[in-house]
Amino acid sequence: DIQMTQSPSSLSASVGDRVTITCRASQSISSYLNWYQQKPGKAPKLLIYAASSLQSGVPSRFSGSGSGTDFTLTISSLQPEDFATYYCQQSYSTRSTFGQGTKLEIK
Amino acid sequence: EVQLVESGGGLVQPGGSLRLSCAASGFTFSSYWMSWVRQAPGKGLEWVANIKQDGSEKYYVDSVKGRFTISRDNAKNSLYLQMNSLRAEDTAVYYCARGGIAVAGSSTFGYWGQGTLVTVSS
Repeated sequence: DIQMTQSPSSLSASVGDRVTITCRASQSISSYLNWYQQKPGKAPKLLIYAASSLQSGVPSRFSGSGSGTDFTLTISSLQPEDFATYYCQQSYSTRSTFGQGTKLEIK
Repeated sequence: EVQLVESGGGLVQPGGSLRLSCAASGFTFSSYWMSWVRQAPGKGLEWVANIKQDGSEKYYVDSVKGRFTISRDNAKNSLYLQMNSLRAEDTAVYYCARGGIAVAGSSTFGYWGQGTLVTVSS
């Protein structure tokens, strides 16, 4: 199976900061990489699909980039509602896998 | 409006069985891959299984192979997960998720249910 590794595992930041989360795949997955946001007690929400496409309704401060094995999620200016856990996920294989998550906390 | 509503979770003893259901509405169910994703308490997301539109292809994470069976009934717009030989490590919230139409991106989950909690304990 394809392994997905996110870094960092946790991150403290302030409102207005620019934040970047990285995700690395154990083999090339082309651009079949998705990003999700999850808040406590809620289902995950799709933010970015196909590495860089913004899901409908998601604010433009979220962006994604990368291809092959290395990917990034960037939040250009953190808002209070952005403090949550973020997961990358590969959809290249029919047996999908998620990264371990990055918890974004308020500094 | 797309809706996915899971049911069937609960407390079960180790070695027991449980059947989860997911009722879908607001879209053409038979056109989409469907998946189950779980999340153990305080842990990350784990993809569990998926099924093709017509049920002809099914895939599982290694830890549930031979114990769990995913199925669907397109006439009833419903997805199922039959879970047998349950273990403590299967304790989790189980989410139903809608995938894509094509194989490529079949596991891009634009819609999720609210989840149902399965607790395996004696």
